[in-house]
Amino acid sequence: NAGVTQTPKFQVLKTGQSMTLQCAQDMNHNSMYWYRQDPGMGLRLIYYSASEGTTDKGEVPNGYNVSRLNKREFSLRLESAAPSQTSVYFCASFSSYTALDTQYFGPGTRLTVL
Amino acid sequence: TQLLEQSPQFLSIQEGENLTVYCNSSSVFSSLQWYRQEPGEGPVLLVTVVTGGEVKKLKRLTFQFGDARKDSSLHITAAQPGDTGLYLCAGNFGNEKLTFGTGTRLTIIP
Repeated sequence: NAGVTQTPKFQVLKTGQSMTLQCAQDMNHNSMYWYRQDPGMGLRLIYYSASEGTTDKGEVPNGYNVSRLNKREFSLRLESAAPSQTSVYFCASFSSYTALDTQYFGPGTRLTVL
Repeated sequence: TQLLEQSPQFLSIQEGENLTVYCNSSSVFSSLQWYRQEPGEGPVLLVTVVTGGEVKKLKRLTFQFGDARKDSSLHITAAQPGDTGLYLCAGNFGNEKLTFGTGTRLTIIP
């Protein structure tokens, strides 16, 4: 049981390049999330998916797209990277089975846009 | 947009001392969580509080939820170097989305 996995762990892009961040969970959770974390800003929600086939914008969706490929996988795409997207990106999945609203986080992807 | 304010932003204390960090909002939470994040890793859930006035203990950590469910505190007794990390509160306002505070970066000096 790997929990939430993310790839890659590190990435450097040039302005204008595109890339996809991958996330997978093996806990059979319905909900999945993408956050970005910047110094002094906490975690901000980019997009989330309440179930397979559905996605919704979070607080900071501009410049990103997502795909909920199946129940396990939720990818985040940067079509034309900008220096403002330099950040650490976390994927999370959500379980309410115990009524404790627990979010489980992956280890993060550290992205630098030059 | 609901906002969560955490204080202090940074805290550095000697091993063995006690400390309290705070999480405040102008909105009522349906539940509130505390996470700890270590460098290079994702946040890990410490506790969830749901009921106004609720107090939960996790070894040397005591979590309290305000009576009005708009604020919470985390108290650490006899801090140890292993407590060092970024502490994040996160509020659930009745849906499956969490709103995170900006965090308290805690350093325990041996």
